[in-house]
Amino acid sequence: ETGVTQSPTHLIKTRGQQVTLRCSSQSGHNTVSWYQQALGQGPQFIFQYYREEENGRGNFPPRFSGLQFPNYSSELNVNALELDDSALYLCASSSTSGGLDEQFFGPGTRLTVL
Amino acid sequence: DQQVKQNSPSLSVQEGRISILNCDYTNSMFDYFLWYKKYPAEGPTFLISISSIKDKNEDGRFTVFLNKSAKHLSLHIVPSQPGDSAVYFCAASAPGSGTYKYIFGTGTRLKVLA
Repeated sequence: ETGVTQSPTHLIKTRGQQVTLRCSSQSGHNTVSWYQQALGQGPQFIFQYYREEENGRGNFPPRFSGLQFPNYSSELNVNALELDDSALYLCASSSTSGGLDEQFFGPGTRLTVL
Repeated sequence: DQQVKQNSPSLSVQEGRISILNCDYTNSMFDYFLWYKKYPAEGPTFLISISSIKDKNEDGRFTVFLNKSAKHLSLHIVPSQPGDSAVYFCAASAPGSGTYKYIFGTGTRLKVLA
C-alpha cells in the first residue's frame, strides 16, 4: 500500500509568482485535504476535495485554489504569492468524506516566498 | 480565535515515566478528537482518536481521555520512550458541513530523556 506522496519537497518562489503543489493520495482514498502549517503553528485547513469537487473551505482567499483528478490525486495552486504564504503545505487523504476517518498526511512541501 | 489550544509548547520526561499532554477546546460542537505525532521533515502521523460518546480510548502505550464538561482532553504515554520525542498535535472536528476538516492546536514538543 502506497502512502501519501507530495511534490516537490522544497520550493522557492518570489512574491507575485504562482505555484502548483501536487499530492498523490493513499491507495483506496477518495478524499484529499490541504493544510498550511506556518512556523510554530499547527496545520490550518485550506480546503478539501471529494470525488473531484471542492467539499469545504477554510479561511483562505480565492487565490488559493485546487483540483482533484479522477485518480484522486490533487493539486494546490496559489496565485500572486505573498511573503506570508511561506509555510509547509500538507496534503492528507482519507477514505470517505463526512465520515469519522482519520486523515493520513504526506511529508509536505516547504514553500519559501522571497 | 484559537478553538483548540495546547498551552504547553514543550515537555520533558524521563524514559519510563508517564508523559501527559494536554489540549483544551472552546467549540462545544466538536465531537471527534485526534492526536497526531510529527517528526521533523515528516508529515503528521495519526496516533489515536476518541469520539465524544466516549471518555477514554486506549491503544497500547497511548491513552486519550476526554472530559466534555471541561472541554479538555489529554494524551497519556506510558511508559515513555526516547522514540516518542516529537511534536504532538491535538485536532478536533465538528459535524454539520459534511466536511471533516480538522482544527489543530499549536503542538507540544515532547522530549523523552534517556
